[in-house]
Formats: sequence, C-alpha cells, structure tokens
Amino acid sequence: EAGVTQSPTHLIKTRGQQVTLRCSPISGHTSVYWYQQALGLGLQFLLWYDEGEERNRGNFPPRFSGRQFPNYSSELNVNALELEDSALYLCASNFDKITQYFGPGTRLTVL
Amino acid sequence: GQNIDQPTEMTATEGAIVQINCTYQTSGFNGLFWYQQHAGEAPTFLSYNVLDGLEEKGRFSSFLSRSKGYSYLLLKELQMKDSASYLCAVGDSGAGSYQLTFGKGTKLSVIP
Repeated sequence: EAGVTQSPTHLIKTRGQQVTLRCSPISGHTSVYWYQQALGLGLQFLLWYDEGEERNRGNFPPRFSGRQFPNYSSELNVNALELEDSALYLCASNFDKITQYFGPGTRLTVL
Repeated sequence: GQNIDQPTEMTATEGAIVQINCTYQTSGFNGLFWYQQHAGEAPTFLSYNVLDGLEEKGRFSSFLSRSKGYSYLLLKELQMKDSASYLCAVGDSGAGSYQLTFGKGTKLSVIP
C-alpha cells in the first residue's frame, strides 16, 4: 500500500512570493492534515480537510490556505511568503480520524 | 487548549532501557500518540493509547494515565537506529475537531 506522498520535496522561494504544496493521502483516507515544523519547534497544526471541506484551522494567518479535491488530495497555499515561513511542511492522512500517517514532507526555504 | 511537556533531550546506552515521559493538559482528550522522527524525515506512528494502562508492541511500550495526564514511552534493548526524536501528541476531540497537538519532542541519542 502506497503511503502519503508530497510534492515537491524541496522548494526555495523569496520573500513575497507565493507557493503551492501538494499532498496525496493513502488510498481510502478521506482526511488530510497539514502541519508546519519550523527548526527547533514542534509540529504546529495548520489545517484539517475532510470530505472536501475545511474542518478546522490552527493559529496561522489567512495567507495560509488550502483545499481538498474530490479525490481527497490536497493543496496548501502560502501567499506573501515571509522568512519565518521556512520550515518542513508535513501532510498526514487518516480514515478514522484517529491515527494520522505522515508523508515525507516538503522543505520550504524562504530567502 | 493543550499543553504538552516532554524532556528536550535524553541519552542512553545501546542495549539499555529508556523511558520518555510526557505530561499533558487538555480540554478534549481523544487519545495519546507517540511518533518517532529521524532527522529530516517524517514522523512515524509508534503507538496509540486511549484507555489507561500499558500497550506493548515489540521493543516499544506505551503507558497512559488519564487521571494524571501522564504517559510514557518505554524503549527496551536500545539499538543505535533508535536515535531519533520521539514526539508525544494528544488527540483533541473538542469542538468536533480531531487534530493532534504535538509536544516539542524528545531527542534520544543512543551511544555505544
């Protein structure tokens, strides 16, 4: 069974630019979660999508947004990038709203 | 809200046993999770406790006391490959959400 996949693996952007990160959940999983892991910090919850709807969002500004498609894949969009957005962005999926399985992450560097 | 505390770093010897503690305060408890994260990699699910007691899975065991807001992860027969960060996370079912709140992780170094 294929795991959660994310693309791209690495990304370098400059301040003010916009970025889109992609996530494909495990087959049969309908929920997708996005987390930010900045250096030295724990995983911070960003967004939760289930059955195509945004169910909850963490304490992040509105320039962090996303969506979930009918095939349950998801995109995370970050507008007006700031230096402190440099982090590992992790996507996780589940089907039972209990155990989350993580993808390999996208390493975003903002210069 | 959630507050999760775990030690920042621990060091243990190959072949030994190590216990990583986690305390939490939560508004809506929906289980406690342990994940392993090697440097630069994604977290890997280790265990899930929703009821009090000990869950054993091979060399790894996890314990939960809901009344004390306390959990620990026990690693036996330590191997060098166990050097990683161990993340304690609490599931929050408050307000209909099912997100996980993570602690900052415990970096475990296994030495020969």
